[in-house]
Amino acid sequence: QKEVEQNSGPLSVPEGAIASLNCTYSDRGSQSFFWYRQYSGKSPELIMFIYSNGDKEDGRFTAQLNKASQYVSLLIRDSQPSDSATYLCAVLTNDYKLSFGAGTTVTVRA
Amino acid sequence: EPEVTQTPSHQVTQMGQEVILRCVPISNHLYFYWYRQILGQKVEFLVSFYNNEISEKSEIFDDQFSVERPDGSNFTLKIRSTKLEDSAMYFCASTPSPSDTQYFGPGTRLTVL
Repeated sequence: QKEVEQNSGPLSVPEGAIASLNCTYSDRGSQSFFWYRQYSGKSPELIMFIYSNGDKEDGRFTAQLNKASQYVSLLIRDSQPSDSATYLCAVLTNDYKLSFGAGTTVTVRA
Repeated sequence: EPEVTQTPSHQVTQMGQEVILRCVPISNHLYFYWYRQILGQKVEFLVSFYNNEISEKSEIFDDQFSVERPDGSNFTLKIRSTKLEDSAMYFCASTPSPSDTQYFGPGTRLTVL
């Protein structure tokens, strides 16, 4: 069973629209959740982390966590062409390693 | 802003050769990690390291792999006898505590011919 699953994409949105990315995880004991952005050929870059149920906003990004449903999401508001990248959902396991999803590729059309 | 650095950025080697990938974690971080990403696949955990010891390792991290902190700044990953399937991007990461955000280096692209 996959530990972290993301909507497969690719996701194409027009500039200025909202991009919605989803992630589910299997380990109910997980406590820390991260969204990384990865441009092609580059390393993962932290966008946001979230530990508590509910919403967390940082600029144009909002992360949502629902531990009961084992679900994490990321909303990108007012999407820009520079947001075009692969977004990785990562869950910190009980032995403190990051378990990554396969990523969702987002393309923002100008 | 402090960054994790990695060298080399690209390493080409022949199958069966030994390679050493180098990382300089952020200076006040104590926990270090290696991950790899085969082209088109997800990022996979290899090993975590704290206090000069391996904390956790994945099933990928077999006897061909080893890690070392040879001095106060470097953290290395050695692959003793490379295989074609070792071709991947290798990322080093560090964090001040295990529950904190892990910060990734730019990666080393390893190509095994």
